[in-house]
Amino acid sequence: EDKVVQSPLSLVVHEGDTVTLNCSYEVTNFRSLLWYKQEKKAPTFLFMLTSSGIEKKSGRLSSILDKKELFSILNITATQTGDSAVYLCAVEAKGDDKIIFGKGTRLHILP
Amino acid sequence: KAGVTQTPRYLIKTRGQQVTLSCSPISGHRSVSWYQQTPGQGLQFLFEYFSETQRNKGNFPGRFSGRQFSNSRSEMNVSTLELGDSALYLCASSFSQGTGFADTQYFGPGTRLTVL
Repeated sequence: EDKVVQSPLSLVVHEGDTVTLNCSYEVTNFRSLLWYKQEKKAPTFLFMLTSSGIEKKSGRLSSILDKKELFSILNITATQTGDSAVYLCAVEAKGDDKIIFGKGTRLHILP
Repeated sequence: KAGVTQTPRYLIKTRGQQVTLSCSPISGHRSVSWYQQTPGQGLQFLFEYFSETQRNKGNFPGRFSGRQFSNSRSEMNVSTLELGDSALYLCASSFSQGTGFADTQYFGPGTRLTVL
């Protein structure tokens, strides 16, 4: 059965800390891995990763995919209170054309 | 506990037709959200229902509508289909205590709609 597992499920850190969020997957016919940030209801897109070992970066956020070990990490440096959100990882599968979401990591940044 | 189920999984329609998609949330979940997933636009929020009332709405035209039943099952309707409506439509359910912070959402497998 295809699955996406995120860890930790929740995380509380202080402003300025660096955090690493994990996403591991078991999905047949992998196409891409997606990271989203969800603050209220509508997730906002962060990264799409398709190739192993290539880091995607956007400001203080970065992400990398390891297709051999079947996982991805999302790093956030110098965290700010506005980074508080649920971070969702999802994997797209070819063939039966589906997307499998993890349960998310709930990140809370303390001022 | 059974997960979120969506029916049908695949649907092919022609322009101008209308379509109804169904979502059954996890037992005990009262919030159901609908999303449109396309390669170019990513995941876009359509609307959210809670206790049979639309609580949140995204920026989609009025052709997109939904409803929720007393058992929390939800339907989404798209009228006068356009080619651009071809997408994967995802439904997600959550317990949702309305704290203002995103509750853990559980996504269904999606309905792939193709408009010809």
